Amino acid sequence: DQQVKQNSPSLSVQEGRISILNCDYTNSMFDYFLWYKKYPAEGPTFLISISSIKDKNEDGRFTVFLNKSAKHLSLHIVPSQPGDSAVYFCAASGTYKYIFGTGTRLKVLA
Amino acid sequence: DAGVIQSPRHEVTEMGQEVTLRCKPISGHDYLFWYRQTMMRGLELLIYFNNNVPIDDSGMPEDRFSAKMPNASFSTLKIQPSEPRDSAVYFCASSRALLAGGPDTQYFGPGTRLTVL
Repeated sequence: DQQVKQNSPSLSVQEGRISILNCDYTNSMFDYFLWYKKYPAEGPTFLISISSIKDKNEDGRFTVFLNKSAKHLSLHIVPSQPGDSAVYFCAASGTYKYIFGTGTRLKVLA
Repeated sequence: DAGVIQSPRHEVTEMGQEVTLRCKPISGHDYLFWYRQTMMRGLELLIYFNNNVPIDDSGMPEDRFSAKMPNASFSTLKIQPSEPRDSAVYFCASSRALLAGGPDTQYFGPGTRLTVL
Protein backbone atom coordinates (compact mmCIF):
# COMPACT_ATOMS: atom_id res chain seq x y z
CA ASP A 1 0.00 0.00 0.00
CA GLN A 2 1.55 3.25 -1.19
CA GLN A 3 1.46 5.81 1.60
CA VAL A 4 2.90 8.49 -0.67
CA LYS A 5 1.49 8.79 -4.17
CA GLN A 6 2.55 10.74 -7.20
CA ASN A 7 -0.25 10.07 -9.63
CA SER A 8 1.31 11.79 -12.64
CA PRO A 9 4.22 9.75 -13.98
CA SER A 10 5.20 12.50 -16.40
CA LEU A 11 4.70 16.20 -17.11
CA SER A 12 5.77 18.42 -19.98
CA VAL A 13 5.99 22.20 -19.61
CA GLN A 14 7.18 24.99 -21.85
CA GLU A 15 10.31 26.86 -20.78
CA GLY A 16 9.44 29.94 -18.73
CA ARG A 17 6.06 28.60 -17.62
CA ILE A 18 5.13 27.18 -14.23
CA SER A 19 5.61 23.51 -13.43
CA ILE A 20 3.35 22.04 -10.76
CA LEU A 21 4.12 18.61 -9.38
CA ASN A 22 1.68 16.97 -7.02
CA CYS A 23 1.92 14.47 -4.22
CA ASP A 24 -0.70 12.88 -1.95
CA TYR A 25 -0.17 11.00 1.27
CA THR A 26 -2.38 8.87 3.45
CA ASN A 27 -0.73 8.84 6.87
CA SER A 28 -1.74 11.78 9.06
CA MET A 29 1.25 11.11 11.32
CA PHE A 30 3.66 12.39 8.68
CA ASP A 31 5.08 15.71 9.86
CA TYR A 32 7.93 16.45 7.49
CA PHE A 33 7.90 16.47 3.71
CA LEU A 34 10.63 16.75 1.11
CA TRP A 35 11.22 16.93 -2.60
CA TYR A 36 14.21 15.33 -4.26
CA LYS A 37 15.34 15.74 -7.86
CA LYS A 38 17.03 12.97 -9.81
CA TYR A 39 18.98 13.17 -13.05
CA PRO A 40 19.73 10.00 -15.08
CA ALA A 41 22.61 7.89 -13.74
CA GLU A 42 22.80 10.00 -10.57
CA GLY A 43 21.40 9.65 -7.09
CA PRO A 44 18.49 11.81 -5.90
CA THR A 45 19.49 15.22 -4.56
CA PHE A 46 17.61 17.18 -1.94
CA LEU A 47 15.64 20.11 -3.29
CA ILE A 48 13.31 21.59 -0.67
CA SER A 49 11.41 20.56 2.44
CA ILE A 50 8.52 21.68 4.61
CA SER A 51 7.45 20.97 8.14
CA SER A 52 3.82 20.26 8.96
CA ILE A 53 3.63 23.44 11.03
CA LYS A 54 3.94 25.45 7.82
CA ASP A 55 1.85 25.58 4.68
CA LYS A 56 4.44 27.09 2.37
CA ASN A 57 8.20 27.14 1.94
CA GLU A 58 10.04 29.00 -0.76
CA ASP A 59 13.59 28.73 -2.09
CA GLY A 60 14.30 30.74 -5.19
CA ARG A 61 12.30 29.37 -8.09
CA PHE A 62 11.00 26.48 -5.99
CA THR A 63 8.01 26.64 -3.65
CA VAL A 64 6.41 23.77 -1.79
CA PHE A 65 2.82 24.03 -0.58
CA LEU A 66 1.31 21.78 2.04
CA ASN A 67 -2.42 21.23 2.56
CA LYS A 68 -2.70 19.06 5.65
CA SER A 69 -6.47 18.72 5.57
CA ALA A 70 -6.28 17.34 2.04
CA LYS A 71 -3.06 15.42 2.74
CA HIS A 72 -1.60 16.99 -0.36
CA LEU A 73 1.60 18.77 -1.21
CA SER A 74 2.79 20.35 -4.39
CA LEU A 75 6.02 21.70 -5.81
CA HIS A 76 5.91 24.81 -7.98
CA ILE A 77 8.81 25.73 -10.23
CA VAL A 78 8.66 29.23 -11.65
CA PRO A 79 9.98 29.92 -14.22
CA SER A 80 10.75 26.43 -15.50
CA GLN A 81 14.10 25.94 -17.21
CA PRO A 82 15.38 23.11 -19.43
CA GLY A 83 17.86 22.17 -16.70
CA ASP A 84 14.90 21.36 -14.45
CA SER A 85 14.12 18.33 -16.61
CA ALA A 86 14.49 15.41 -14.22
CA VAL A 87 12.51 12.96 -12.12
CA TYR A 88 11.07 14.51 -8.97
CA PHE A 89 10.33 12.41 -5.90
CA CYS A 90 8.28 13.58 -2.97
CA ALA A 91 8.91 12.00 0.41
CA ALA A 92 7.19 12.06 3.78
CA SER A 93 8.48 11.31 7.24
CA GLY A 94 6.86 10.75 10.58
CA THR A 95 9.64 8.86 12.25
CA TYR A 96 13.19 8.59 11.11
CA LYS A 97 12.29 7.03 7.79
CA TYR A 98 11.46 8.70 4.52
CA ILE A 99 8.62 7.20 2.49
CA PHE A 100 9.06 8.09 -1.16
CA GLY A 101 6.57 8.32 -3.98
CA THR A 102 7.15 6.73 -7.37
CA GLY A 103 8.33 9.97 -8.99
CA THR A 104 7.18 12.35 -11.72
CA ARG A 105 9.30 12.86 -14.81
CA LEU A 106 9.36 16.55 -15.71
CA LYS A 107 10.35 17.63 -19.17
CA VAL A 108 10.85 21.34 -19.80
CA LEU A 109 10.64 22.14 -23.47
CA ALA A 110 12.88 24.88 -24.88
CA ASP B 1 33.79 15.91 0.54
CA ALA B 2 33.54 13.14 -2.05
CA GLY B 3 29.94 12.42 -1.24
CA VAL B 4 28.46 8.96 -0.81
CA ILE B 5 30.44 6.41 -2.82
CA GLN B 6 28.92 3.22 -4.17
CA SER B 7 30.47 0.32 -6.00
CA PRO B 8 30.10 -1.21 -8.44
CA ARG B 9 28.09 1.22 -10.56
CA HIS B 10 26.80 -1.61 -12.69
CA GLU B 11 26.49 -5.30 -11.92
CA VAL B 12 25.28 -8.02 -14.25
CA THR B 13 25.00 -11.49 -12.82
CA GLU B 14 23.21 -14.74 -13.36
CA MET B 15 20.34 -16.03 -11.31
CA GLY B 16 21.53 -17.90 -8.25
CA GLN B 17 24.78 -15.99 -7.86
CA GLU B 18 25.73 -13.96 -4.82
CA VAL B 19 25.81 -10.20 -5.27
CA THR B 20 27.51 -7.73 -2.93
CA LEU B 21 26.92 -3.99 -3.18
CA ARG B 22 29.19 -1.59 -1.34
CA CYS B 23 28.76 1.85 0.16
CA LYS B 24 31.03 4.41 1.76
CA PRO B 25 28.99 7.11 3.54
CA ILE B 26 29.99 10.73 3.95
CA SER B 27 32.51 11.07 6.74
CA GLY B 28 30.90 12.14 9.99
CA HIS B 29 27.43 10.95 9.08
CA ASP B 30 25.76 8.80 11.71
CA TYR B 31 22.96 7.33 9.63
CA LEU B 32 23.17 5.06 6.60
CA PHE B 33 20.23 3.97 4.45
CA TRP B 34 19.85 1.39 1.68
CA TYR B 35 17.10 1.95 -0.90
CA ARG B 36 15.90 0.11 -3.97
CA GLN B 37 14.37 1.90 -6.95
CA THR B 38 11.94 0.18 -9.31
CA MET B 39 9.47 1.60 -11.79
CA MET B 40 6.49 0.13 -9.98
CA ARG B 41 7.37 0.98 -6.40
CA GLY B 42 9.67 3.96 -6.70
CA LEU B 43 12.25 4.36 -3.95
CA GLU B 44 11.82 1.79 -1.19
CA LEU B 45 13.76 1.87 2.05
CA LEU B 46 15.30 -1.53 2.69
CA ILE B 47 17.23 -0.96 5.93
CA TYR B 48 18.90 1.80 7.89
CA PHE B 49 21.71 1.97 10.43
CA ASN B 50 22.48 4.42 13.20
CA ASN B 51 26.06 4.43 14.47
CA ASN B 52 26.67 1.16 12.61
CA VAL B 53 23.73 -0.60 14.31
CA PRO B 54 20.79 -1.80 12.18
CA ILE B 55 17.69 0.02 13.41
CA ASP B 56 14.95 -0.95 11.00
CA ASP B 57 15.17 -3.75 8.44
CA SER B 58 11.45 -4.10 7.86
CA GLY B 59 11.89 -3.17 4.22
CA MET B 60 14.25 -6.04 3.44
CA PRO B 61 12.19 -8.13 1.04
CA GLU B 62 13.38 -11.61 1.92
CA ASP B 63 15.96 -13.57 3.83
CA ARG B 64 18.03 -13.59 0.66
CA PHE B 65 18.88 -9.97 1.46
CA SER B 66 21.29 -9.03 4.21
CA ALA B 67 23.15 -5.84 5.14
CA LYS B 68 26.09 -5.12 7.38
CA MET B 69 27.93 -2.06 8.59
CA PRO B 70 31.19 -3.23 10.17
CA ASN B 71 32.44 0.33 10.73
CA ALA B 72 31.41 3.95 10.25
CA SER B 73 32.86 4.17 6.76
CA PHE B 74 31.61 1.02 5.07
CA SER B 75 28.43 -0.94 4.49
CA THR B 76 27.43 -3.84 2.29
CA LEU B 77 24.16 -5.12 0.93
CA LYS B 78 24.26 -8.76 -0.07
CA ILE B 79 21.79 -10.80 -2.09
CA GLN B 80 22.22 -14.55 -1.99
CA PRO B 81 20.96 -16.17 -4.14
CA SER B 82 20.00 -13.46 -6.59
CA GLU B 83 16.86 -13.66 -8.74
CA PRO B 84 15.77 -11.76 -11.87
CA ARG B 85 13.15 -9.84 -9.86
CA ASP B 86 15.98 -8.31 -7.82
CA SER B 87 16.99 -6.30 -10.88
CA ALA B 88 16.78 -2.64 -9.87
CA VAL B 89 18.90 0.36 -8.95
CA TYR B 90 20.15 0.21 -5.38
CA PHE B 91 20.99 3.46 -3.61
CA CYS B 92 22.88 4.13 -0.45
CA ALA B 93 22.29 7.39 1.45
CA SER B 94 23.76 8.90 4.58
CA SER B 95 22.92 11.74 6.93
CA ARG B 96 24.07 13.51 10.04
CA ALA B 97 22.16 13.28 13.27
CA LEU B 98 19.98 16.20 14.33
CA LEU B 99 20.56 17.71 17.75
CA ALA B 100 16.93 17.00 18.52
CA GLY B 101 17.42 13.38 17.51
CA GLY B 102 16.91 11.52 14.30
CA PRO B 103 18.57 11.92 10.91
CA ASP B 104 19.08 15.15 9.04
CA THR B 105 18.69 15.48 5.26
CA GLN B 106 19.78 12.37 3.40
CA TYR B 107 22.50 12.49 0.75
CA PHE B 108 22.39 9.79 -1.88
CA GLY B 109 25.12 7.97 -3.73
CA PRO B 110 24.99 7.47 -7.52
CA GLY B 111 23.47 4.00 -7.19
CA THR B 112 24.30 0.51 -8.40
CA ARG B 113 22.30 -0.78 -11.35
CA LEU B 114 21.84 -4.51 -10.81
CA THR B 115 20.74 -6.83 -13.58
CA VAL B 116 20.10 -10.47 -12.76
CA LEU B 117 19.75 -12.65 -15.84
